[in-house]
Amino acid sequence: QQPVQSPQAVILREGEDAVINCSSSKALYSVHWYRQKHGEAPVFLMILLKGGEQKGHEKISASFNEKKQQSSLYLTASQLSYSGTYFCGTEIRQGAQKLVFGQGTRLTINP
Amino acid sequence: DTAVSQTPKYLVTQMGNDKSIKCEQNLGHDTMYWYKQDSKKFLKIMFSYNNKELIINETVPNRFSPKSPDKAHLNLHINSLELGDSAVYFCASSPRLAVYTDTQYFGPGTRLTVL
Repeated sequence: QQPVQSPQAVILREGEDAVINCSSSKALYSVHWYRQKHGEAPVFLMILLKGGEQKGHEKISASFNEKKQQSSLYLTASQLSYSGTYFCGTEIRQGAQKLVFGQGTRLTINP
Repeated sequence: DTAVSQTPKYLVTQMGNDKSIKCEQNLGHDTMYWYKQDSKKFLKIMFSYNNKELIINETVPNRFSPKSPDKAHLNLHINSLELGDSAVYFCASSPRLAVYTDTQYFGPGTRLTVL
């Protein structure tokens, strides 16, 4: 049930790009992306609701490929503030709706 | 203004004790959740409530008992604490019971350490 994220960890220099992938063995109805900084709560980034959808906020964007049951998060020209652990959450519709989170991708941005 | 608040932030206790964590949201949301994040950062849902009604009980041991006195509050009581209960517990809320579209807002977390 749990989506699988890759890579597990990324280390970049400021200004470099990163891609974080999230794939599921189950049908995806929506994909939610969150970022958690060390010692803090997860913070919502974006929701993708249908296949083919792409969203972006400043230099962070995401895509959703419904047929491949996967989503990707793109971080362009990374900033120090992007450091943290990124989680994708996928909606499960067996009984009550719930979000099931991937294991997280730890992103470290160095100056 | 704090949207989702939890108390306490840190909780250190001995095995076998009983403890409670409180959560309050001032967003006017209908739905609240408890998540457990273990040492490997795995974030797993435990319970969800909608307007004080239990919706999800995710095969959590009976030692964990959530209580929602009103839709703005969701407390978690844990009996007979075990070493494996050590984790960070997050409370969250969302406007409705509509996972498809609704953002979940997380509280700051309670780090529970069982000795």
